[in-house]
Amino acid sequence: SQQGEEDPQALSIQEGENATMNCSYKTSINNLQWYRQNSGRGLVHLILIRSNEREKHSGRLRVTLDTSKKSSSLLITASRAADTASYFCATAIRGGGTSYGKLTFGQGTILTVHP
Amino acid sequence: DAGVIQSPRHEVTEMGQEVTLRCKPISGHNSLFWYRQTMMRGLELLIYFNNNVPIDDSGMPEDRFSAKMPNASFSTLKIQPSEPRDSAVYFCASRYTLGTQYFGPGTRLLVL
Repeated sequence: SQQGEEDPQALSIQEGENATMNCSYKTSINNLQWYRQNSGRGLVHLILIRSNEREKHSGRLRVTLDTSKKSSSLLITASRAADTASYFCATAIRGGGTSYGKLTFGQGTILTVHP
Repeated sequence: DAGVIQSPRHEVTEMGQEVTLRCKPISGHNSLFWYRQTMMRGLELLIYFNNNVPIDDSGMPEDRFSAKMPNASFSTLKIQPSEPRDSAVYFCASRYTLGTQYFGPGTRLLVL
């Protein structure tokens, strides 16, 4: 199964509400990253959190990381219709060899924000 | 910077034909990645290069797929012969060391 798995698969909210997406992973990581993909477009990097960090903020985004539970969450506050997109977590696995530097993506959460 | 550039943006071909996808990474980036995205399998890493050298091609589906990076500013992904199940969006991404990965806009491939 995927190294990173997002939950929920789909989320539908009203503008102004907060959106929370979760990601779980299996092996030790170097860092975890969140990406956004608008329909028909490429992925855009949102935020990176390292394994020794617990929380990070960027504008309306807040990411937490719990390495003991192997999980992360992405919170988007005061959502806007323009936040409608798919959100992916990606893990950079700790270790050498061919795994070094690889990102493994989850299946994503489809977020719909209704105006 | 123009970002990661991919061409073509759309490709429609018939089964059995050769398909070549192209990617120009961001100048100065030393790692390049090819991904494939489908509804069924999500985003899959096919191959990645570090300093123009293929590091891990374990994600390449089969011998019909090949990738090259002759220099730091150009890479190709070739499918020969193509099959309908190869239909997908193919993304190229680049980064510098372990920094942020920047994705191109993708090539939407349809094999009839």
